[in-house]
Amino acid sequence: EAQVTQNPRYLITVTGKKLTVTCSQNMNHEYMSWYRQDPGLGLRQIYYSMNVEVTDKGDVPEGYKVSRKEKRNFPLILESPSPNQTSLYFCASSMTQGGAGTQYFGPGTRLTVL
Amino acid sequence: GENVEQHPSTLSVQEGDSAVIKCTYSDSASNYFPWYKQELGKRPQLIIDIRSNVGEKKDQRIAVTLNKTAKHFSLHITETQPEDSAVYFCAANQAGTALIFGKGTTLSVSS
Repeated sequence: EAQVTQNPRYLITVTGKKLTVTCSQNMNHEYMSWYRQDPGLGLRQIYYSMNVEVTDKGDVPEGYKVSRKEKRNFPLILESPSPNQTSLYFCASSMTQGGAGTQYFGPGTRLTVL
Repeated sequence: GENVEQHPSTLSVQEGDSAVIKCTYSDSASNYFPWYKQELGKRPQLIIDIRSNVGEKKDQRIAVTLNKTAKHFSLHITETQPEDSAVYFCAANQAGTALIFGKGTTLSVSS
C-alpha cells in the first residue's frame, strides 16, 4: 500500500531533550516536506527536500533540522525542543517538485513540549 | 514570497445548501492551486486542484474556479452533506519550491 508513515504518533517531552520524528514514504517520491499545524494558523512549511542530500528552509525553520540521506526517509530533528514547538506535525511527499502536484500526508505526530 | 488569504474562517450551512470558500494569492507566478480537506483527527487529503491554464474544474459536487487576473480562486460545494463537515485548506505553489497554505475554513453542515 502506497503510504507515508510517521513515528511516533504522540510524544510528550521536556524542554531541551533532543528528539527525532521519523518520516518514510514507499512511493519513490523525490519531494518531501515537513509542516506544522497550529490552530488558526493553517499548515506552515518547516523544511522541504527536492531530492537526496538536497534540503531547504520553509517558512518556519527555526529550531528544527532535517536530513535526507535516503530517498524514502526524511526525519525531523528538534535539537533542543521548547514549549513553542508544541504542535501537530505532518510529513508529506509528492512526485511533483515544488509542491505543484498532489502531496500525500502522513498521519501526523502530536508533540507536546513541557 | 507567496501569501495566501482564505475566507471565511468558519462557515455553517444547512444540508443541501451550497458552500463557497474563497482564497486570494499574491504571487502572479503561482500556477497550481489545490484544495485539501481535513476531517477531525485525520490528515489533509487533496480533493481537487486547478492549474493556471484552466478557469474552472468540476468533480461531482465540488468545483473550483480561478481568476488569474484578480488572483483569487474559490471552492464550491453543492448539495452539502454532513460528511462534508471538515476543515478545508486552499494552497498555491511558490516559485517551484513550496506549497503555501491558507489558514483554513471550518465547514459545518447541519442536517
